[in-house]
Parts: sequence; structure tokens; C-alpha cells
Amino acid sequence: NAGVTQTPKFRVLKTGQSMTLLCAQDMNHEYMYWYRQDPGMGLRLIHYSVGEGTTAKGEVPDGYNVSRLKKQNFLLGLESAAPSQTSVYFCASTYLGVNTEAFFGQGTRLTVV
Amino acid sequence: GENVEQHPSTLSVQEGDSAVIKCTYSDSASNYFPWYKQELGKGPQLIIDIRSNVGEKKDQRIAVTLNKTAKHFSLHITETQPEDSAVYFCAASMGGNTPLVFGKGTRLSVIA
Repeated sequence: NAGVTQTPKFRVLKTGQSMTLLCAQDMNHEYMYWYRQDPGMGLRLIHYSVGEGTTAKGEVPDGYNVSRLKKQNFLLGLESAAPSQTSVYFCASTYLGVNTEAFFGQGTRLTVV
Repeated sequence: GENVEQHPSTLSVQEGDSAVIKCTYSDSASNYFPWYKQELGKGPQLIIDIRSNVGEKKDQRIAVTLNKTAKHFSLHITETQPEDSAVYFCAASMGGNTPLVFGKGTRLSVIA
């Protein structure tokens, strides 16, 4: 039981490049989330999903897209990376609903130059 | 929407002393208040949570108190140890499909 796994762990992108971050969970959780963590800003929600095939915008969705084609996977896409998207990205999942323990991945450190 | 304020942003205590971190929330409909601990290079991990029908909850050296009237909740760590050094986040949610809103975090340093 690996929990929540994020791929890749580190990445450097040039401005304008695109990439996809993959989050996989093996706990049969319904809800999945993508956060970004910046110094002094805490954890800010980018997008989330309440079940397979669903997605919803969070607090800071601009410049990102997501897909939840399979229950166990939640993909975060950057269409045209900008330096402002330099951050640490965390994926999380919860079993049923938002008012239960969230399990986080180890994070992806993304630098856009 | 919900807004969660967390104080202080940094906290240093001597080993064995107590540490208190405070959070306030804006939406009186919020009913779930978890606390997460993030160690260096890792993702946050739940350490304790409290729901709005309870005023206090304790788990060994960690306790959380909730004041619904004042809309604030606090994390108390007693007999601090060096391994308690980490960033702590509070959060609040009103349930349904409304995700957690996190505070900005408190960096706790326990000095041996």
C-alpha cells in the first residue's frame, strides 16, 4: 500500500513549456486534490475532484488544467509554464467527503526559468 | 468563502516547554478543524482533528480546543521534543463538497 504517489519529484521547465504532474492513490479514495505551497502562503487549492470523471476549480486555478479519467489517478497540467508557477505541488486524497483525513503525496518541486 | 488566519508564523520554544498555535476562521458554518504537521521534505500529515460538536480533544501530548462562539481553535503541544520541530497547518471546512481551507502555517522550532 503506497498511499499517494506523485510523479515526478523534481522538474525544471523553461517558460512556455508544458508538462503534466501525475498523482496516483491506491486507497480507493473518492476525492482528490491538487495544492501548491509557496513560502508564507500555506497550502492553496488549485483544483479538486469529488469522483471519477469530475473536476472543480479551487482557489488558484488559472494556468492549470486537471483530469480524473480513472478513480486512482488525478493529473495536473500546465499548458504554458510561467515563472509564477514555480512552487511545490502536493496531491492529496480523502476517502469519502472533505471532512476526513487527507493523505498527501511527497510533493513535486517545480522550477520555471 | 472561508478564511483561516493562523498565528504565530514562527515559534521557538525550549525542549520540555509547551507550544500553542492559534487559528481563527470566518465562516460559522465550518464544522471540521484538522491540524497537519509537515516535516522537511515531506507532505503534511494529520495529527489531530476536532468537530464542532466537541470543545476539546486530546491525544497524548497534543490537544486541540475549539471555541465556536469566538470562531477560533488552538493546538497545544506539551513537553515539546526536538522531533516536534516542523511546520504546522490548521484548516477548516464546512463539509459537503467544500474542500478544506488551510492557514498559512507555523514553523515550530524546539531547541534542545
